[in-house]
Amino acid sequence: IQMTQSPFTLSASAGDRVTITCRASQSIRRTLAWYQKKPGKAPKLLIYEASRLGSGVPSRFSGSGSGTEFTLTVSSLQPDDFAAYYCQQYESYPWTFGQGTKVEF
Amino acid sequence: EIQLVASGGGLVQPGTSLRLSCEASRFTFDDFAMHWARQAPGKDLEWVSGLTGYNGEEGYADSVKGRFTISRDNAKKSLYLQMNSLRPEDTALYYCGFSSGASAWAVDVWGQGTMVTVSS
Repeated sequence: IQMTQSPFTLSASAGDRVTITCRASQSIRRTLAWYQKKPGKAPKLLIYEASRLGSGVPSRFSGSGSGTEFTLTVSSLQPDDFAAYYCQQYESYPWTFGQGTKVEF
Repeated sequence: EIQLVASGGGLVQPGTSLRLSCEASRFTFDDFAMHWARQAPGKDLEWVSGLTGYNGEEGYADSVKGRFTISRDNAKKSLYLQMNSLRPEDTALYYCGFSSGASAWAVDVWGQGTMVTVSS
């Protein structure tokens, strides 16, 4: 299953609302996760089951979608949100990540 | 706090083998699904392999299938990744992770990485 994210990079300012899109090559129902990734650090789970907030994740992060179209929204970007974001399907092996979206200030 | 500690990385020549280990602490290791992912320098995250806890199903990325083998030792609370026929494109920071069940099947805990460099 191929996962396609857009955009590749996103320039934004603190306080902005940003949205990242992820498209699956076939239906994955809602078996989709979003991760935040900073250089040299482990991935951090933000969203699972397409829209459920991970433990300890701020409520400014939200996810939506099902089937083949998904979105991650950050309602008000904070300086700590500068990072790369990846969607990942876990519907079936081999699991796959999208190619990532880098959020830049 | 659940912790995963990955080890075994290093500098190796193309065509050789390496085994990565991931030791878990502070949780019941049995029956949890465990995974490996990697990130090459300046590249995107790539899921590498997974091992489902309850039925032992294994999964591999196409890029490593036939060369890498995932396994676990529940008594030692350890996950392994045997990597054979290594290639320069396998150079990456390798992360182990597990699905606790609190986030459906998603991997909700990742350990720190161990670096693998394949170069002559």
